[in-house]
Amino acid sequence: ETGVTQTPRHLVMGMTNKKSLKCEQHLGHNAMYWYKQSAKKPLELMFVYNFKEQTENNSVPSRFSPECPNSSHLFLHLHTLQPEDSALYLCASSGGAAEAFFGQGTRLTVV
Amino acid sequence: GQSLEQPSEVTAVEGAIVQINCTYQTSGFYGLSWYQQHDGGAPTFLSYNALDGLEETGRFSSFLSRSDSYGYLLLQELQMKDSASYFCAVRSDDKIIFGKGTRLHILP
Repeated sequence: ETGVTQTPRHLVMGMTNKKSLKCEQHLGHNAMYWYKQSAKKPLELMFVYNFKEQTENNSVPSRFSPECPNSSHLFLHLHTLQPEDSALYLCASSGGAAEAFFGQGTRLTVV
Repeated sequence: GQSLEQPSEVTAVEGAIVQINCTYQTSGFYGLSWYQQHDGGAPTFLSYNALDGLEETGRFSSFLSRSDSYGYLLLQELQMKDSASYFCAVRSDDKIIFGKGTRLHILP
């Protein structure tokens, strides 16, 4: 248990569906991240939020839409995804050093 | 641009020592850290170096040379449970960038 909770753990969605991934941390961290990890590929940084402000959008397609209503919660809204978007989506938070705490991830399958 | 390089795979024998190297190129460097990820799991933090030198935590040690933009993770007395992927990561400005990971295979 890292203190970062992601829901759901598994998600299967059709290409026309709209769904949201949720991430929650109560570690008092000011930075939260979304990463994508495809099979046999490295961790890809998608978005960074610092003090609720988005500071990084790593050329992510608009079908992925992040939301950070407060410093403890982070969402990733999904719509009209493609099968190649199937991956493990990891949320992480950090408090200013180089240590990031990860949630267990959401295994997403787009059919 | 920002990049980290580490070997894709390393194989070692149970009980032995293995070193995983990482070189980086980044702006605004604040520190180098290492993470372990078992299959199906999330990355977990192992160590962090902000200054040059060696940091030891039990069987694991991590080294940093900022002048060489280089670091390594040293795993001693390898156990089968150490079979996993190991990622180096740098803190650059307000984000953490990860390397592609090194898959460690341990032979009995």
